[in-house]
This record gives sequence, structure tokens and C-alpha cells, in this order.
Amino acid sequence: DADVTQTPRNRITKTGKRIMLECSQTKGHDRMYWYRQDPGLGLRLIYYSFDVKDINKGEISDGYSVSRQAQAKFSLSLESAIPNQTALYFCATSDSRTTQETQYFGPGTRLLVL
Amino acid sequence: SQKIEQNSEALNIQEGKTATLTCNYTNYSPAYLQWYRQDPGRGPVFLLLIRENEKEKRKERLKVTFDTTLKQSLFHITASQPADSATYLCAERDTGRRALTFGSGTRLQVQP
Repeated sequence: DADVTQTPRNRITKTGKRIMLECSQTKGHDRMYWYRQDPGLGLRLIYYSFDVKDINKGEISDGYSVSRQAQAKFSLSLESAIPNQTALYFCATSDSRTTQETQYFGPGTRLLVL
Repeated sequence: SQKIEQNSEALNIQEGKTATLTCNYTNYSPAYLQWYRQDPGRGPVFLLLIRENEKEKRKERLKVTFDTTLKQSLFHITASQPADSATYLCAERDTGRRALTFGSGTRLQVQP
């Protein structure tokens, strides 16, 4: 089984709709992240959480919100989706106990906002 | 703010040759740089990390260098194979920051 899972894998929605992307991990890591990836722009950080009570905005948090329901679960919400939020979304985890803090990524969610 | 710059043009090389990818940073010297591989439609996978005080790191056919004078890291794949074809991402983290900053990646295509 995959260590970092994301649901759904693909989603088509309409402008103005609220949607939620979910991320779960079985790695026991304390830190979790949400990124979006657009062609030519690389990975951009939306939100990150260093533990259940520590949630921080990344460089592009406007229009998004998150919830860390448990150490293993981190959800990303688009309150009112707009077409320029069409992108590939990745969840990632890392372990603060390691010196390298390698990030482990989920398989991604492809979102299309019409 | 720190920017991580990678060549956006794809790199095409012949099988067996050494591929060299470049990662430049614009401001402060990061505490470390990480390199990831990303295949189409998949999440990035960690390959190597090199710290500020290290000049070179190796892992099998992979080698990473870190030149703080040039503000640059080079990523080498020796004896490249078609299976090495992917996008390679560079990421940095400064000791004062709490999360990684990624470059946009360079796509490598190894021709058989």
C-alpha cells in the first residue's frame, strides 16, 4: 500500500463550487504539506503543518484553506473554486526527527475547474 | 526572496553519456539542497541531499556538487539510460525557513 495517499485522483468541478482534497499517510511523519504544480512553474507551497496544532500559510495560500484532522490526515479545501486553480495538487510528508527531512509525495490530484 | 532557477529547456542526450543538470540560487546560501526525480503524472521522489559544507555527494551513478561561490549545484547522471528520462527538481531549505523552495525542474530525455 502507498505510504501517502490522495483522494480523489482526478476531479472536475465548476466555478464557485467548494471542493476538498484529502491526504492520508501511514509513515508516522509529523509534518505535512500541500503543493500545486503548474507547467513551467514547478511546485509551489500552499500550506504546511508541522503538527496538528501548527498550520502555516505557504507562498500561494489565497483561495485555499486546510485542516489537519489528525497527525495522519491533512485536507485542502477550495472554498469557491475558480478556473486558475486548475492544476496538479500534491500532498507531501516529512519527519522532523531526521536530519535530512526528505519529503515524501503522494500521487497527486488532477483538478480541472470549468 | 530566494529563487531556485533550473533550465526550463529539456536536455536531450545519448544513452551512455553523462547528463549534467544545473540548479542556481539567487540569494543566501541554503543550509542544504535536495534533488528529486519526477515522472509524468507522479509525485516527486527524493534522490540526494547535499549540505552547504559539502562539495560533492555520490550515490551509485548519481553525483551532486555544491559551489557556494557560484551559487550553484550540479546534478550528474553517469552512463545515462533511457530509464533515467524524467524531470529533475532541485529544492533548497535555509536554516531560518521552515519549508523547502523548489525549482521548476529540468526535463531529461535519454535517447537509446
